[in-house]
Amino acid sequence: DVHLVASGGDLVQPGGSLRLSCTAPGFNINNYWMTWIRQAPGKGLEWVANMKPDGSGQKYVDSVKGRFAISRDFARNLVYLQMNRLRDEDTATYYCGSGAGWLVEQWGQGTRVTVSS
Amino acid sequence: DIVMIQSPHSLTVSLGERATISCRSSQSLFSSRKNYLAWYQQKSGQPPKLLISWATTRGSGVPDRFSGGGSGTDFTLTIDNLQPEDVAVYYCQHYYGDPLTFGQGTKLEI
Repeated sequence: DVHLVASGGDLVQPGGSLRLSCTAPGFNINNYWMTWIRQAPGKGLEWVANMKPDGSGQKYVDSVKGRFAISRDFARNLVYLQMNRLRDEDTATYYCGSGAGWLVEQWGQGTRVTVSS
Repeated sequence: DIVMIQSPHSLTVSLGERATISCRSSQSLFSSRKNYLAWYQQKSGQPPKLLISWATTRGSGVPDRFSGGGSGTDFTLTIDNLQPEDVAVYYCQHYYGDPLTFGQGTKLEI
């Protein structure tokens, strides 16, 4: 199994920015679709963004379009989620996932983002 | 957007019995002879785990007590011989295209 590790979560003020990272030590994630999914406290799962193995084809849920950006660093085997103009409703645990396509087959432990003044 | 509706919201089943969770999508998930429907299990404090993909295919290491059924817009997750470790929230999700959407979750208790 792939062990994905997400990091970068923090407490940030509304309007602020944060960059989340996801990697898989000892495993090359560059061959996989990568996805970010979030879960607000006590709530269900919400897909946020994904992209193809070659780093193209980024897709986003409407609520984050224009504010969030998913990207890859192939040399460092990392996937990022750059989050700008953060809102209270972005408060959640963010999970990264991987798979051969749109299906998320492997999930990492999440990283917590809190947006609050 | 495709809306996913699960029922029931919560379910209490006795040990050794069967649990059945339903999921309905607002449009057909069937294309190219496949149903783009997955089931996930999320235990308290843990990330979700893939149980079923393509509506009926069990994930790696998933016990055969778990089975998925259905096609088109109506799907079921069945858990036979319920065990204590099955206590979790179960989600259906389509991966037919963006945006991917999840059902609201079904909390399974014993």
